[in-house]
Amino acid sequence: DQQVKQNSPSLSVQEGRISILNCDYTNSMFDYFLWYKKYPAEGPTFLISISSIKDKNEDGRFTVFLNKSAKHLSLHIVPSQPGDSAVYFCAAKGSSNTGKLIFGQGTTLQVKP
Amino acid sequence: KAGVTQTPRYLIKTRGQQVTLSCSPISGHRSVSWYQQTPGQGLQFLFEYFSETQRNKGNFPGRFSGRQFSNSRSEMNVSTLELGDSALYLCASSLTGQSEAFFGQGTRLTVV
Repeated sequence: DQQVKQNSPSLSVQEGRISILNCDYTNSMFDYFLWYKKYPAEGPTFLISISSIKDKNEDGRFTVFLNKSAKHLSLHIVPSQPGDSAVYFCAAKGSSNTGKLIFGQGTTLQVKP
Repeated sequence: KAGVTQTPRYLIKTRGQQVTLSCSPISGHRSVSWYQQTPGQGLQFLFEYFSETQRNKGNFPGRFSGRQFSNSRSEMNVSTLELGDSALYLCASSLTGQSEAFFGQGTRLTVV
């Protein structure tokens, strides 16, 4: 049962344009969401997070939007840079007192110069 | 502040052997979680330790076990290795488990 889904395996954008990565979830008990960036053979790097009590969180070029009614979140990267090329994972955490993260399958972003 | 440190980075083991992986969390972090990443299954949660107690466990067989020491360092052990255990094993630490988790570089385990 895939509770967190990233339906687009890959995305290609031009440098300077906006990258939009999407994530859907099924469990309404999730109350905290995170985005990670990952290069091959390395650990994920934390990018940005959002609590379920908010609908937007911004940090520099990265903005995460949460639509609870649609059980959907998205990560916007503006402007996209070639160094942003990596695999992006969204992850969700339940409301219980736990560090357990449930990850989506990831989206490979390629930013072309 | 030093990040999450995992040792060793690479490991090759034979089927049937056992292996122990180590994780040193960020100083002050008390929650340590372990994940397995494989091409087919993605990133899957193994278990979480908090204050030396296992707080949560993923859907993995009993061959996978772990522990946490009083200094929050953690180890995970896999016994009777199978070819399918070949994966990148990742450790993540957070202050209490309720905030952001920061990952180490991972240990690449190859079972032959």
